[in-house]
Amino acid sequence: SAVISQKPSRDICQRGTSLTIQCQVDSQVTMMFWYRQQPGQSLTLIATANQGSEATYESGFVIDKFPISRPNLTFSTLTVSNMSPEDSSIYLCSILGTLPSIQYFGAGTRLSVL
Amino acid sequence: KQEVTQIPAALSVPEGENLVLNCSFTDSAIYNLQWFRQDPGKGLTSLLLIQSSQREQTSGRLNASLDKSSGRSTLYIAASQPGDSATYLCAVQGGSEKLVFGKGTKLTVNP
Repeated sequence: SAVISQKPSRDICQRGTSLTIQCQVDSQVTMMFWYRQQPGQSLTLIATANQGSEATYESGFVIDKFPISRPNLTFSTLTVSNMSPEDSSIYLCSILGTLPSIQYFGAGTRLSVL
Repeated sequence: KQEVTQIPAALSVPEGENLVLNCSFTDSAIYNLQWFRQDPGKGLTSLLLIQSSQREQTSGRLNASLDKSSGRSTLYIAASQPGDSATYLCAVQGGSEKLVFGKGTKLTVNP
């Protein structure tokens, strides 16, 4: 299994500001994933981040709102830009493990926007 | 578009009871199906993964079955304990590494 550290664990932010979430993995991985879990809803994939290339965004998510960095094989950041109360969610990063197709998740960042 | 549904949304049982959680998906062309456990503040923990060619997987008191043709999976928990209280999520993976999740079943096991 992998150890995934995600920071911050929670934050309360003002409307119009931005928050950057960090995800650190204890091993090198090719693909990292960012998910959003809105209250009472399923986890939804925001984007897939490969090292050395632009992130691939899912329908309904755009780079200007959720810019992602992937500077190396163990680290990624997700920024939630120009926040509104609708961005209040849990944001999670995940990776594919060495066992076939098992995904491992960080503890998540609980974001509240006032 | 793949959709995953979990029933029931919430379940409360007394300790020691055996229980079944249900998951259904609309597109049977899946690569695998995974069951996760979500605890507040602790992210998701993978419980069981069933490849599309498999019918079931077991881990301790947990048994997951998969009927790909009918688009259904069940998670059976034997002799439930208060420590099993959590939200259980079902997710399916298609041709890419992308997972599609259900909304989960919130389980409460009462001492």
